[in-house]
Amino acid sequence: EVQLVESGGGLVKPGGSLRLSCAASGFTFSDVWLSWVRRAPGKGLEWVGRIKTKTDGETTDYSAPVKGRFTISRDDSKNTLYLQMNSLKAEDTAVYYCTTHGDNGFVRFWGHGTLVTVSS
Amino acid sequence: QPVLTQSSSASASLGSSVKLTCTLSSGHSNYIIAWHQQQPGKAPRYLMKLEGSGSYNKVSGVPDRFSGSSSGADRYLSISNLQSEDEADYYCETWDSNVWVFGGGTKLTVL
Repeated sequence: EVQLVESGGGLVKPGGSLRLSCAASGFTFSDVWLSWVRRAPGKGLEWVGRIKTKTDGETTDYSAPVKGRFTISRDDSKNTLYLQMNSLKAEDTAVYYCTTHGDNGFVRFWGHGTLVTVSS
Repeated sequence: QPVLTQSSSASASLGSSVKLTCTLSSGHSNYIIAWHQQQPGKAPRYLMKLEGSGSYNKVSGVPDRFSGSSSGADRYLSISNLQSEDEADYYCETWDSNVWVFGGGTKLTVL
């Protein structure tokens, strides 16, 4: 059974930093592309960014609102995905979900999410 | 990149049917999409992949009451014999050139 467990969320002041982690199990972690997706209060789902496999160069891509501020990385030896968030803004307040991609490229499995609140 | 447009809300009675729409932006009418469901207080879950031909692939565990279809730039998620547990937010998703996009979501209320 695929399990994705996010951690690291919390309250942070504007301009601050936070690192989220996602511990994965139930599949071959190193073979899978991974993304972070967020949902702000009262809003819909928003893709944050994706990291490819080491075989595919561990290339990362980001949405425009977070590009230059957020960094996705992975540690295949620990089956863990990370999201480093810097220069946080109030509009980054959201539940952040760790997701896997299927062979067809679409988001396939979701974690339960971790809440990030950016407020002074 | 493509834009996905969904109605913000829909409602239907228990036991009836409903058809939710996701519209692809101009120039992207042949794109494949996926449908996801997010029940209140739960994580989203992937339901199916849907092609422009109307062919769809549901994942295991999704009831037979759920089906997909397409017409031009429109992608549909149909739910028959609505149950209370179908009350949820439904999102369509697509991707292109290493960018993923979600529609704004449709909140389905089961009356």
